[in-house]
Amino acid sequence: AQKVTQAQTEISVVEKEDVTLDCVYETRDTTYYLFWYKQPPSGELVFLIRRNSFDEQNEISGRYSWNFQKSTSSFNFTITASQVVDSAVYFCALRGGSEKLVFGKGTKLTVNP
Amino acid sequence: DGGITQSPKYLFRKEGQNVTLSCEQNLNHDAMYWYRQDPGQGLRLIYYSQIVNDFQKGDIAEGYSVSREKKESFPLTVTSAQKNPTAFYLCASSITSGNNSPLHFGNGTRLTVT
Repeated sequence: AQKVTQAQTEISVVEKEDVTLDCVYETRDTTYYLFWYKQPPSGELVFLIRRNSFDEQNEISGRYSWNFQKSTSSFNFTITASQVVDSAVYFCALRGGSEKLVFGKGTKLTVNP
Repeated sequence: DGGITQSPKYLFRKEGQNVTLSCEQNLNHDAMYWYRQDPGQGLRLIYYSQIVNDFQKGDIAEGYSVSREKKESFPLTVTSAQKNPTAFYLCASSITSGNNSPLHFGNGTRLTVT
């Protein structure tokens, strides 16, 4: 069975602080994909990144960076110098051999001015 | 602009009535999905369709029905058999049903049943 755990239910930071959102996954598939999505208050989920199981390189996109470690089954997401517009619910998701995308329960990030 | 359109944004129904949520995409995607979101629960898969005229049950299909008569459209009917229908419903699509295809989501429909 596939499972995604986001242990942090809610995080609150002050603007310009760095923040890391944790994601731990479980799967028996050798080939799988990991995703992060952002859900702002408007409701739609916005795709942020996809990472396949054979590529453990970390990725940086502007203030966002992702750390994928197969040894610990983790795919953590860091926002550097957070801004109020980063306030949202962030979901980590896993897709293995089946067509189903399995989501974690999400982490609500609040960035205060 | 390409995208996924869900309508209406808010929907109110009386208990015992069936209600249909609309989902249309103009991305030319083969696969479409319906998810339900409840507070603190994340997203749970209701139904998905890999191709026109085909669909499969997800993890919580009981009390729901779908159709996929056109590539662009994947309506979801919440029937009176669904015990707790009040929720936020999200429709999504992907180029294929392959596991590397990211899902693109609509803005959601918030259904309230009283």
